[in-house]
Amino acid sequence: QITLKESGPTLVKPTQTLTLTCTFSGFSLSTSAVGVAWIRQPPGKALEWLALIYWDHNKRYSPSLNSRLTITKDTSKNQVVLTLSNMDPVDTATYYCAHWVAVAGFDYWGQGALVTVSS
Amino acid sequence: SYELTQPPSVSVSPGQTARITCSGDALPNQYAYWYQQRPGQAPILMIYTDSERPSGIPERFSGSTSGTTVTLTISGVQAEDEADYYCQSADSSGLVVFGGGTKLTVL
Repeated sequence: QITLKESGPTLVKPTQTLTLTCTFSGFSLSTSAVGVAWIRQPPGKALEWLALIYWDHNKRYSPSLNSRLTITKDTSKNQVVLTLSNMDPVDTATYYCAHWVAVAGFDYWGQGALVTVSS
Repeated sequence: SYELTQPPSVSVSPGQTARITCSGDALPNQYAYWYQQRPGQAPILMIYTDSERPSGIPERFSGSTSGTTVTLTISGVQAEDEADYYCQSADSSGLVVFGGGTKLTVL
C-alpha cells in the first residue's frame, strides 16, 4: 500500500525559505519509471505543478518558479524534500506530494500541508 | 507558457450525462489524465492515458480524445460526483501542466 505524507512549517514569513518533506512508503524511488512530485493549491484556486524528481535522479521544475525551487531525494529514508525560496504571501497554499508513474499519472497523493505566508 | 483550458463550471441533473472538456495544443501528442477533488480532500486519479480507468473507479467515468480536446464523461451522474475536476497533461518538452479546473454541480 502506497502512502505519502507532507511535513513542514505551517507558517513562514515573507522572504524566508520554505522546506517541505514528503515521507512515503510502499514503493522505492529507485524503481524505474517512478517519481515523486510536488503540487500546490492556493485557497479556492487550481492545482499548480511545482517539481518532479525521477527514479534516475533527473529533476524537472515549473518554468514560472524554476529559479526558486529545489527538489531532492533521499532514497534510503524514503523522503523527497522541496525548498521554495523567497516566500511571498501569494505562495500561501496547500502543498501536496504525489507518487508518479510513467503513463499512469499521479496515482497516489498525500493529504496536503497548508502553508501560510505572513509576517 | 502552455495552458490547458477547461470550462469553469458544468451543471447536470442526477442521472444525466456530464461532459467536461479540456483543450490544449499539445494534447494530440501528450497523454491526458483526469483528477477528482472534493472539498478539503486530496485529488483522486480518475482517468489515465486519455481513456484508461484505474481500479476502483466506477465505470460511469470515461475519457476520450479528439484532436486538441480531451473529454471526461460521467454517465448517470450521482450526487456524490459533485466535485472539482482537473485535467493534466504535459507540454511539448514534457513539463507537467494542470488545467484550471471545472466545478461539477449536480442539480
